[in-house]
Amino acid sequence: DVKVTQSSRYLVKRTGEKVFLECVQDMDHENMFWYRQDPGLGLRLIYFSYDVKMKEKGDIPEGYSVSREKKERFSLILESASTNQTSMYLCASSLPGTNTEAFFGQGTRLTVV
Amino acid sequence: GENVEQHPSTLSVQEGDSAVIKCTYSDSASNYFPWYKQELGKRPQLIIDIRSNVGEKKDQRIAVTLNKTAKHFSLHITETQPEDSAVYFCAARPKGGYQKVTFGTGTKLQVIP
Repeated sequence: DVKVTQSSRYLVKRTGEKVFLECVQDMDHENMFWYRQDPGLGLRLIYFSYDVKMKEKGDIPEGYSVSREKKERFSLILESASTNQTSMYLCASSLPGTNTEAFFGQGTRLTVV
Repeated sequence: GENVEQHPSTLSVQEGDSAVIKCTYSDSASNYFPWYKQELGKRPQLIIDIRSNVGEKKDQRIAVTLNKTAKHFSLHITETQPEDSAVYFCAARPKGGYQKVTFGTGTKLQVIP
């Protein structure tokens, strides 16, 4: 059974802080993704990674960076948190291939005050 | 890039009735169309998917249809039950491109007992 675990369920940070969101998967998946979920906007891709140390920008990468030093771990970094980054953040992983299921983590509700 | 539009944003049906959610996509190269269900407070999970070489796929009370010419696809749920209440996301993935998936904005389905 695939398990994708995000380090925090709820997080409150101050404007200007550097924020790290961590995601770990235990199924040896090559692909990992970070999405943010906002009401009425669905799931929007921030960054994804298809291999260790590899990353690709998604649709809304501004204000974010990522790190993937190990295959099982994918970190999302908010360099200087702002109130418009208050959101639900979802990590996902999948095997490579054209038709593979994405397995999601439980989400991190980040509030920037 | 790919753009996925999803309608309606909210849908209420009586228990036992059918529900239909429709999505359109912009990139004619997209060839994989998954649907995810997100129950309140839980992670999105894949419920059904369809490839571009297939017109329809069924799994018990759930079916998905694809019209490649018109670039739209739909989710059909028959004999709805209260446990079908959730947010449903359609998605589209272009051929190649490291399996990047673009999601629709979601449909909140409420099944009234």
